[in-house]
Amino acid sequence: GAGVSQSPSNKVTEKGKDVELRCDPISGHTALYWYRQSLGQGLEFLIYFQGNSAPDKSGLPSDRFSAERTGGSVSTLTIQRTQQEDSAVYLCASSLGQAGNTEAFFGQGTRLTVV
Amino acid sequence: GENVEQHPSTLSVQEGDSAVIKCTYSDSASNYFPWYKQELGKGPQLIIDIRSNVGEKKDQRIAVTLNKTAKHFSLHITETQPEDSAVYFCAADTGKLIFGQGTTLQVKP
Repeated sequence: GAGVSQSPSNKVTEKGKDVELRCDPISGHTALYWYRQSLGQGLEFLIYFQGNSAPDKSGLPSDRFSAERTGGSVSTLTIQRTQQEDSAVYLCASSLGQAGNTEAFFGQGTRLTVV
Repeated sequence: GENVEQHPSTLSVQEGDSAVIKCTYSDSASNYFPWYKQELGKGPQLIIDIRSNVGEKKDQRIAVTLNKTAKHFSLHITETQPEDSAVYFCAADTGKLIFGQGTTLQVKP
């Protein structure tokens, strides 16, 4: 596809369950970001992948959160033992990753609701 | 790490008036400063950006200014229209994009 694709678009899960959120970046984009947007809040940085470099995980809020990027393309964000405070929109973005020219293209997001 | 502060959090203007949103950043190594617009239920979209070797950039009704000495940059929207109503985010890039808290702009007809 032409843009960043995220799935599912909506996810309702019970507290304590694990969830996986998927991001398909734009083909050829080496950089991939995950952000969390709580209701009415800003874009909280979670994790950043750039090519084959070790990911920048400095924004992950707890060890229940992890992310992988397989083959430099698709990424999965996993939240284990979900809590109600994990409810938010999770946004993925990709970019060419060139220093100083890093326009990021966002997906539509996954709205996660933990009940 | 980089920290980006954005003000105001909400802004209401009359159609036709100008709107200004301001951001400050902490990391002097930041060299790329994009602005994004987010409409309800959608992901943010880039509207304008500026690089550290430029002081001002304009695109029709939108302009961005950058003061590297003071480490702040601003978005200016002139002749606002109701369709400009959205949430606006600034960001700074030192190798990863860090966003401000967002400004909800309401343009009243």
